[in-house]
Formats: sequence, structure tokens, C-alpha cells
Amino acid sequence: GENVEQHPSTLSVQEGDSAVIKCTYSDSASNYFPWYKQELGKRPQLIIDIRSNVGEKKDQRIAVTLNKTAKHFSLHITETQPEDSAVYFCAPRMYSGGGADGLTFGKGTHLIIQP
Amino acid sequence: DAGITQSPRYKITETGRQVTLMCHQTWSHSYMFWYRQDLGHGLRLIYYSAAADITDKGEVPDGYVVSRSKTENFPLTLESATRSQTSVYFCASNLGGDQPQHFGDGTRLSIL
Repeated sequence: GENVEQHPSTLSVQEGDSAVIKCTYSDSASNYFPWYKQELGKRPQLIIDIRSNVGEKKDQRIAVTLNKTAKHFSLHITETQPEDSAVYFCAPRMYSGGGADGLTFGKGTHLIIQP
Repeated sequence: DAGITQSPRYKITETGRQVTLMCHQTWSHSYMFWYRQDLGHGLRLIYYSAAADITDKGEVPDGYVVSRSKTENFPLTLESATRSQTSVYFCASNLGGDQPQHFGDGTRLSIL
């Protein structure tokens, strides 16, 4: 199965600064790379994802970059705001078309935005 | 996402008791999943289902039983609860493949 590691486990940044969270995976066949955000006491929600034929994807203040050679992908949040405080999970996966199995999540990164 | 609901939201029970957590979705998604979330472990897959009457084990299935007689429901049963099963349980569903998984609000289960 997929071995997933996230770094750092906790990240504290000043409001307005940028934050970067890295996810390293083991399965070179992985082709789908999502990031989920979970606010305290809430459900996880997908915030951005990327597929292996794309190196980078942006959505307003968030972006994901992929390095398939090194087997890692990163979440970038710019101009951080208090509402960005949450736990972020990566969940890389290999999909061969049709069918599905569950995601293997990293252990999460607790992002703290300091006012 | 109001389309997937879990019940109960909170449950306290004793070791050895049977407890069933319910999950209901209104999107007619084929795929449904159960995860447990514990500090230091993140989210771990317990069981998943590709369609009615089709279920498969995930990473941590021991001590759990699932069924899926209808597409919209995917109950999770702890046949004889143990303290190690104290956790927050999340149900999720999707259309399959690399489509986003939509999570319920979770059930916080405490086993005394």
C-alpha cells in the first residue's frame, strides 16, 4: 500500500505570510493528488487536487505543485488568513479508471495563522 | 454537504456492547467509505463499498462489520465494542475513481 508522509506536522505563520506543506509518497504509480482541509470539529473537505499529467494547479490563494520524479507534492497557501487555520491532509492515490478504493491519508499538518 | 448524513453524532457505550453507526447519502453515489480518525494517525480506511451488496476491507477492518443492502445506506457495526475503538468515525461517498470524496459530519464514539 501507499506510504504517505507529511511535513511539517505543525506550521505556524504570521497572517499574510505564505505557507507550504509537503507530502511524500511511495507508490510511483500514483496519479491523483488531492489536499483536504479539516477545520476543528468539522468534516474534511477537498480544497484542491491535481493529476499526474499536470505539474501545477492554482485556485485563488492556494496552489498544488507536483514532482513525480521525487515523489512529492506540495500545498501552497499565499496571503494567509485566520480562516486558513485548520489541519490539512494529503491523500495520493493511483486510479486506473473505473472502480474506486479508499484514500490513504497523511497524518495531517496543523496550520496555525498568527494574527 | 447536506447530501450525506451520519447518525448518531455522539454515542457513549460500554465494552462488549454492539453499536451501529448509520450513514445515508442522497446523491446516488455508487461508492461509500468508512474512516476512523484518531490523534496521531490521521484518517484510516475501515471498509468501503463499490455498490449495493459489494463491500471490501480497508486498512483497519478488524472488529467491524458493514453491509450495503441499499445504495444510499452504509451502516457500520461494532459487534463487541472495545476501548480501542473509541474514535471519530467519518462516512464518505463519491462517484468513483478520482472524483472528490464527500464526507459526513462524523460520529464521535466513546467506549467506556
